[in-house]
Amino acid sequence: SQQGEEDPQALSIQEGENATMNCSYKTSINNLQWYRQNSGRGLVHLILIRSNEREKHSGRLRVTLDTSKKSSSLLITASRAADTASYFCATPTSGTYKYIFGTGTRLKVLA
Amino acid sequence: KAGVTQTPRYLIKTRGQQVTLSCSPISGHRSVSWYQQTPGQGLQFLFEYFSETQRNKGNFPGRFSGRQFSNSRSEMNVSTLELGDSALYLCASSERTGRRLSNTEAFFGQGTRLTVV
Repeated sequence: SQQGEEDPQALSIQEGENATMNCSYKTSINNLQWYRQNSGRGLVHLILIRSNEREKHSGRLRVTLDTSKKSSSLLITASRAADTASYFCATPTSGTYKYIFGTGTRLKVLA
Repeated sequence: KAGVTQTPRYLIKTRGQQVTLSCSPISGHRSVSWYQQTPGQGLQFLFEYFSETQRNKGNFPGRFSGRQFSNSRSEMNVSTLELGDSALYLCASSERTGRRLSNTEAFFGQGTRLTVV
């Protein structure tokens, strides 16, 4: 079974608005990574946040991590139509390189 | 630096046949992992190879196998294909060097879309 669950499953917003998606996981982690996937293609690595970090920024992306709640959020600010994609969180199973993925959030940005 | 390269991009096979997929990791990356993505099950871990040895294995039948070569390139084989094996197969590469796991990113290829008919 997948460790991560993402919320919401689908999100539709207007261009220029912010999009927030959340990810929950079940066990302790070394890091949490967010990926984007466009229409059944490969996964694009967006950002990695370590377990001892609480917040990280990269361009229009802001990721937070709350290890006490076993959750993370990805905020995309000033969204663009090109941000339309599915977003996944992934965590390595403790001490290994086996990544467990969340169920994903399908984001649609309307022009 | 070139990214992760997977070949072929698309495959159509018949039930009962076998198939081999290839993955070339990012230069310098020695860990290669394989994932299966289906609409029903999402992204599922198949196995990970490092230094030509399988290090981790997911919960898939023995029909799914893989190997890694000395140049870190990896192949995945599925024998006796079933309709349910239709999926996007993704390969990921990681450095897996002296860096701590907490700092190690996994980068994915574009995937191979396998259709079993």
